Amino acid sequence: AQSVTQLDSQVPVFEEAPVELRCNYSSSVSVYLFWYVQYPNQGLQLLLKYLSGSTLVKGINGFEAEFNKSQTSFHLRKPSVHISDTAEYFCAATYSGAGSYQLTFGKGTKLSVIP
Amino acid sequence: DTGVSQDPRHKITKRGQNVTFRCDPISEHNRLYWYRQTLGQGPEFLTYFQNEAQLEKSRLLSDRFSAERPKGSFSTLEIQRTEQGDSAMYLCASSSRETALNTEAFFGQGTRLTVV
Repeated sequence: AQSVTQLDSQVPVFEEAPVELRCNYSSSVSVYLFWYVQYPNQGLQLLLKYLSGSTLVKGINGFEAEFNKSQTSFHLRKPSVHISDTAEYFCAATYSGAGSYQLTFGKGTKLSVIP
Repeated sequence: DTGVSQDPRHKITKRGQNVTFRCDPISEHNRLYWYRQTLGQGPEFLTYFQNEAQLEKSRLLSDRFSAERPKGSFSTLEIQRTEQGDSAMYLCASSSRETALNTEAFFGQGTRLTVV
């Protein structure tokens, strides 16, 4: 079975500091990767996605992620966080053999931005 | 286009009762998904529709769960004889054949179910 691992369940960081949220996926010939953000009692909002091409992907709200095939990683980064970035972040993957393109999610990382 | 909408947003029910949730996808999105998210976990896939056809079901979807998508528009998810373990956020998502790889899913705000 395919899997996505988010190594940190909680990440506290001071406002305006950089942050990296880690994500590893199980290897596959053709994988598509996503980062979603979830605010309390809300659904999921897509931050960015990697389908193919350039391994550095830029998303909304100043986030970016780098696809690393050799390390099977897709870490999310932001150079300077804001209070409003406090939320839960989910890494997700789908695979070309999935048919339905259903998403497999990690368990999430709660980002807390400290003023 | 107002996005994916789910109703109700919250539902409290007694154990053993039946509940039904509704999802209205983005218009003309032909793919519709249901996910379940329990506390401290990421969403887990439950089932998938392409138009009105239910093409895939997870092993998580026990016999007490049934989903429909009549006419390929809105969808309903029914849970019969609810159990406390059914308490979770139920998320609906839709995607369009028009996106490059049919992979970008748009999520609703979810229905939070509490079984007491």
